[in-house]
Amino acid sequence: AQTVTQSQPEMSVQEAETVTLSCTYDTSESDYYLFWYKQPPSRQMILVIRQEAYKQQNATENRFSVNFQKAAKSFSLKISDSQLGDAAMYFCAYRRPNDYKLSFGAGTTVTVRA
Amino acid sequence: DADVTQTPRNRITKTGKRIMLECSQTKGHDRMYWYRQDPGLGLRLIYYSFDVKDINKGEISDGYSVSRQAQAKFSLSLESAIPNQTALYFCATSDFPSVVGQETQYFGPGTRLLVL
Repeated sequence: AQTVTQSQPEMSVQEAETVTLSCTYDTSESDYYLFWYKQPPSRQMILVIRQEAYKQQNATENRFSVNFQKAAKSFSLKISDSQLGDAAMYFCAYRRPNDYKLSFGAGTTVTVRA
Repeated sequence: DADVTQTPRNRITKTGKRIMLECSQTKGHDRMYWYRQDPGLGLRLIYYSFDVKDINKGEISDGYSVSRQAQAKFSLSLESAIPNQTALYFCATSDFPSVVGQETQYFGPGTRLLVL
């Protein structure tokens, strides 16, 4: 079974600053997909960003970017210019190709200080 | 938007009671999923269904059952609730994309269940 580890239960960032969330995973597959989901206090799970393992280029979505290190099995999320609305729990998730089940990490709670 | 809805949003029940959580979607997706979220454990898959006649167990299906009444409806039942089933429950849907790997799961707002 795949294991996804988020080693930071909580992170705090000053508004307008940058914060990086770490995620590591364990797999023997060479091709797979990685995701970051955001869960604000409303509880809604929102897809933030997706990375295909076969792509070397790191994915970017506006202020959100990832640092994908395939050899190290690391998939960190960088939030730039943090905003109050970024406060949420962030989950890293893994999925094998042709398998529609997601494996989630335990989550990291991000607080944004005004 | 409210493409995936879950009812109820919150529920308190007693040990031994039967309870059903319902999920409906207007996205037209064939695939539906039930997850459970516990603090420190992330989300874990309970059951999933790829179409109306297809039901599959996830990693933690014991104590749960599901029913796929229609393409748009997928219900989760706890036949005899116990306190360690207290959790946040999520329904999710996904499509079958033309490009392999492009599948995205869309989540409902969750149901918070407390079993006393």
